[in-house]
Amino acid sequence: AQKITQTQPGMFVQEKEAVTLDCTYDTSDPSYGLFWYKQPSSGEMIFLIYQGSYDQQNATEGRYSLNFQKARKSANLVISASQLGDSAMYFCAHSRANFGNEKLTFGTGTRLTIIP
Amino acid sequence: DAGITQSPRHKVTETGTPVTLRCHQTENHRYMYWYRQDPGHGLRLIHYSYGVKDTDKGEVSDGYSVSRSKTEDFLLTLESATSSQTSVYFCAITRRGEGQNTEAFFGQGTRLTVV
Repeated sequence: AQKITQTQPGMFVQEKEAVTLDCTYDTSDPSYGLFWYKQPSSGEMIFLIYQGSYDQQNATEGRYSLNFQKARKSANLVISASQLGDSAMYFCAHSRANFGNEKLTFGTGTRLTIIP
Repeated sequence: DAGITQSPRHKVTETGTPVTLRCHQTENHRYMYWYRQDPGHGLRLIHYSYGVKDTDKGEVSDGYSVSRSKTEDFLLTLESATSSQTSVYFCAITRRGEGQNTEAFFGQGTRLTVV
């Protein structure tokens, strides 16, 4: 079974600084995907970024990038130039890459607070 | 939001009563999922569907059943609600995105309280 570990229950970061949220995973699947979601206090789950295990380059989406280190089974989320609106829970998730049928396994999340 | 709507958004029910949550999608997605979110556990998969009348169990399926009689609707039923089923329930869809990317989107969530 897959397991996702997010070791930082909470983080406090000064506005405009870069943030790295840690995620490690344990899987024996030869092909898989990794996701990051943001959950603000309003409760919705907002998809941020996806990395496929065979992708040669790290995924990027605007201020979000995924630092993918396959050998270490690590998929850290990097947020550049943090903003107050980045304060939220962040979840890392794993799926077997079946290209459409993606059951997700989630970590327990990191609560990020941006300090003005 | 991939056209996903959950109803109701909030519900309070009594122990032992049946409850049905509805997930409705408008974009003809094949794969649909129900997750529950509890403090300290992240989101956990309850049931999923890979087509009309095709469903399977997830990690925490005990006490839940699902049905999918139409592509657009995926129903989650608590046959006899218990206090341990107090949770936030999310419906999700997955689809192929650009290239080999997978996209997974969630509904707004349903907060269920069993008293």
